[in-house]
Order: sequence, then C-alpha cells, then structure tokens
Amino acid sequence: GAVVSQHPSWVICKSGTSVKIECRSLDFQATTMFWYRQFPKQSLMLMATSNEGSKATYEQGVEKDKFLINHASLTLSTLTVTSAHPEDSSFYICSARRAQGISNQPQHFGDGTRLSIL
Amino acid sequence: GENVEQHPSTLSVQEGDSAVIKCTYSDSASNYFPWYKQELGKRPQLIIDIRSNVGEKKDQRIAVTLNKTAKHFSLHITETQPEDSAVYFCAASFPGGGADGLTFGKGTHLIIQP
Repeated sequence: GAVVSQHPSWVICKSGTSVKIECRSLDFQATTMFWYRQFPKQSLMLMATSNEGSKATYEQGVEKDKFLINHASLTLSTLTVTSAHPEDSSFYICSARRAQGISNQPQHFGDGTRLSIL
Repeated sequence: GENVEQHPSTLSVQEGDSAVIKCTYSDSASNYFPWYKQELGKRPQLIIDIRSNVGEKKDQRIAVTLNKTAKHFSLHITETQPEDSAVYFCAASFPGGGADGLTFGKGTHLIIQP
C-alpha cells in the first residue's frame, strides 16, 4: 500500500503560462501532503506543507502567490505554478502522509513532474 | 530551522564491501530520520527509517544507527550489490505544528564497482 500518483510527469510550456500539477494518494487517505522542488544533481527542498481543509504552510523564501496549493480532499493536492518563468524549471515532487501533525510517520513520494519553461 | 549535513557526497566501494553514509542534524527536537534511495529521474524510495526512541534498526543488508546525544545518524549497507548504486538522502523531521516536512541532506552518490 501507500501509492502516490503525480500527474503530469513532464510539462513543457511557454513563459508566462500557469501549470497545474496533481498529487493523489491512491490507496490511503493523506491528511498531510508536501511539495518539494529538486534542481539537477541537488537535494530535495521543501516548498510547503498542505493539510486537508486548511491553508498551506509555505517555507521561507517560497512565494505563496506564485505557487498555489490546494488540498481539497483527503486524496488530492494540487500545485499551480502561476506565470511560470524559465527559473521555475525544476523537478517538482509531492509526498503524502497518513496522519496529520505526527511528524514521525513515513512520507510516500510521487514520481515527480519535470517542468521546463521555455 | 533544521539543518542536515550529509557525508560523503560521493562514495565508491567494491561490490561485496560495506558502505557507510553519515548525517548530522541541528535541531534536538527532530524525532524522525528516514533514508531514501533515488535513482536518476525517479522518485525517492524509503529504504529505512528510525525514530528518536530507538538507537538502531536493521532490515536485511541495511541498518541505521542514531546517536541523539551527538545528533548524528548513519546508514550502513553490507554486502553491496550493483543495484545499490544510486543517490542516497538522509532526512530529519521535527514536530512543527502545521509545517513538519522533511529536511534533506545534500545526498550521497553511491557507486558500486564490479
């Protein structure tokens, strides 16, 4: 169990457009989901924590108006990159955890979305 | 916030030998320490984790040790095989109210020489 699906896996779009990425927990209810960004040959950097039914908590330096997060159900969180620019090109990965507010439980990752802005 | 340091950045070992990767963390409130294996272009896969109330955990060829006093934890892989080649990330998580995601180390590129 604990399968997380992320869609799309690859996006290429023009500068200025908005891109929506979906993260779904397929076989469990995820009260908490996380969004990470990973640049080539670098580590994963936490962008925001998303709890179902409440506003996302963003890490320092992450613009909440640029990276819109919606966690509308216990199995779906979306990340929308608004007015994307070439510097937003990266590998975006979501993860999901069953229990809210319990940090010592495993996070299960999606396959990631490779975003390329031309 | 939490800061996780990971060493070495690259580790090359002969097939069959053991590999050890070490991490330190800064926040004594951290209570969960997972290790992930990531192959190129793929998702991080959880290979083992340890909680702050445990000093050591083993799963077949993989083991993790935790020293809370020194704030460091290590991954041990024995009898390494070519399929162990990948990038390994340590991470730490601490209770942070609505924001308790993982802080990752910079990763270790493990190369298993045949």
